[in-house]
Amino acid sequence: GAGVSQSPSNKVTEKGKDVELRCDPISGHTALYWYRQRLGQGLEFLIYFQGNSAPDKSGLPSDRFSAERTGESVSTLTIQRTQQEDSAVYLCASSSGDRAYEQYFGPGTRLTVT
Amino acid sequence: AQSVAQPEDQVNVAEGNPLTVKCTYSVSGNPYLFWYVQYPNRGLQFLLKYITGDNLVKGSYGFEAEFNKSQTSFHLKKPSALVSDSALYFCAVRRTGGFKTIFGAGTRLFVKA
Repeated sequence: GAGVSQSPSNKVTEKGKDVELRCDPISGHTALYWYRQRLGQGLEFLIYFQGNSAPDKSGLPSDRFSAERTGESVSTLTIQRTQQEDSAVYLCASSSGDRAYEQYFGPGTRLTVT
Repeated sequence: AQSVAQPEDQVNVAEGNPLTVKCTYSVSGNPYLFWYVQYPNRGLQFLLKYITGDNLVKGSYGFEAEFNKSQTSFHLKKPSALVSDSALYFCAVRRTGGFKTIFGAGTRLFVKA
């Protein structure tokens, strides 16, 4: 079956512009996660959604970052007024609603802010 | 709060030798522990997990990991390394009551022929 997909694969934007990144999870997966991976570094948790529960936004680095999810489907991560330090690969993952299950990752969106 | 430490930025091992990639964690309550691998130009892939039961868990590509509750560790091991095992390895922890998953900073494994 289809895996997690993300679009665009690459995005170059000017400082100060807004960007929107999209994630399509695996069908039937109720949990969806966003992570940021700066060059040569580990994964930084940003936010997760689980079913109809309120999302855990505790990892969002500033109020310029926001995310939405439509039901148990597509999610968008929006970064307003981008800064150069926002340059990173943004990874999306989904998993079954059981907390014991592993996450399946998308290929990521490489964001470059010039 | 949850945290994961991978004390080694890089591990070098010769092909055919055993390898160990270290991970320690901190979490309230019982943990769910995971290892993921990131090959060059490829996405993150799940390797193995500890949920409950036997402390030694086996995963993909001949890897295994041992859960040690007293030392709060979950080290990744393989009896005989392959050059193709060269990649970036991430340890992750989730407490049993939640979904939030915290990843370590990663350990780069180099296997030399």
